[in-house]
Amino acid sequence: QQQVKQSPQSLIVQKGGISIINCAYENTAFDYFPWYQQFPGKGPALLIAIRPDVSEKKEGRFTISFNKSAKQFSLHIMDSQPGDSATYFCAATLVTPRFGAGTRLTVKP
Amino acid sequence: DSGVTQTPKHLITATGQRVTLRCSPRSGDLSVYWYQQSLDQGLQFLIQYYNGEERAKGNILERFSAQQFPDLHSELNLSSLELGDSALYFCASTPGLLLPYTGELFFGEGSRLTVL
Repeated sequence: QQQVKQSPQSLIVQKGGISIINCAYENTAFDYFPWYQQFPGKGPALLIAIRPDVSEKKEGRFTISFNKSAKQFSLHIMDSQPGDSATYFCAATLVTPRFGAGTRLTVKP
Repeated sequence: DSGVTQTPKHLITATGQRVTLRCSPRSGDLSVYWYQQSLDQGLQFLIQYYNGEERAKGNILERFSAQQFPDLHSELNLSSLELGDSALYFCASTPGLLLPYTGELFFGEGSRLTVL
């Protein structure tokens, strides 16, 4: 069963737009929430992560918003670029990371 | 390059067969994780080893088994293969066990298994 639910499955955004990917979890014991980026033919790589005692974390154009009471978190990509086109996975960690199903992002020029 | 090496990159086999996927973690990493990536299920956690011992188990089928050797490389054995086992299998490594509030996994490039 999927311990982390991720949506949407795919997303098409115009260059310069905002990409938003959402995730939800059930287990309140999860203590770390990373996002991974995967390009075709490559393994996932850590993009940005947040602890549950923080409501927002920003790194460049990438921001995680975290809502502990709702058990939801989201990734915002500002000023999306064609080079951001990839599959994005959210994850929740308790001993081992459990991943969402992934979102395939396409940024059109 | 994450430093995690997986072989083979591609593997085509028939139903009922058995295959072995190999993973060499980053130098010095003691913990190895196996994940299965399929189109509709995303990254499914299979199993984790730490310094040769099984540490955590996820959705790993009884037909699958894994081990970590003294030199820290790991192998995932898949037997009695079925069409549905076709997927990308990823190995990841970390220096040790993940501490609370932290934890970056370093992934290899995966082994693509096709079962015909």
